[in-house]
Amino acid sequence: DGGITQSPKYLFRKEGQNVTLSCEQNLNHDAMYWYRQDPGQGLRLIYYSQIVNDFQKGDIAEGYSVSREKKESFPLTVTSAQKNPTAFYLCASMRGTGYGYTFGSGTRLTVV
Amino acid sequence: DAKTTQPNSMESNEEEPVHLPCNHSTISGTDYIHWYRQLPSQGPEYVIHGLTSNVNNRMASLAIAEDRKSSTLILHRATLRDAAVYYCTSNTGNQFYFGTGTSLTVIP
Repeated sequence: DGGITQSPKYLFRKEGQNVTLSCEQNLNHDAMYWYRQDPGQGLRLIYYSQIVNDFQKGDIAEGYSVSREKKESFPLTVTSAQKNPTAFYLCASMRGTGYGYTFGSGTRLTVV
Repeated sequence: DAKTTQPNSMESNEEEPVHLPCNHSTISGTDYIHWYRQLPSQGPEYVIHGLTSNVNNRMASLAIAEDRKSSTLILHRATLRDAAVYYCTSNTGNQFYFGTGTSLTVIP
């Protein structure tokens, strides 16, 4: 079955370390997105990409970086510049305008 | 941004219908209205979407106001598995903006 795979499900890192979250999709969707969710909060857009080798900042891009070298993959790096990185990170893809998102199951990052 | 407003929480008895409201007064004429639901520690799940006409699928119905400034997600018979946070969203281009959603409690 087609879908989005995020790995790992849980991730622990020491403060000051960069960490990369994986997101892979086999839906042949052009657009991919990264959202951050804090407890009791909605989803906030970090970065998005509508085509390979191109991406745009969302509302809270500071302290994060992404790449889109392949259509299937959209990894997110949480850098040491991100002041409060502990959160639930969600990756999504979309077929195109008029269609909805397909979400991954999320990665819970805890920085200690 | 296409902002949406929903009540923070709602309750429903099991096997009763549930009407979840959403206001999206800033929506433009070409923005779709989407609904998702999220269980704890999981990614949101697509429920339904529409543009102008009411929509039905196996999960729910979506009633869209004539002026498109509000919509209502209808669960015809709530089950315990429907307990979740429901998000009403609308897109600006290819981006969706999510508020804090409505937390639905289903009472057995």
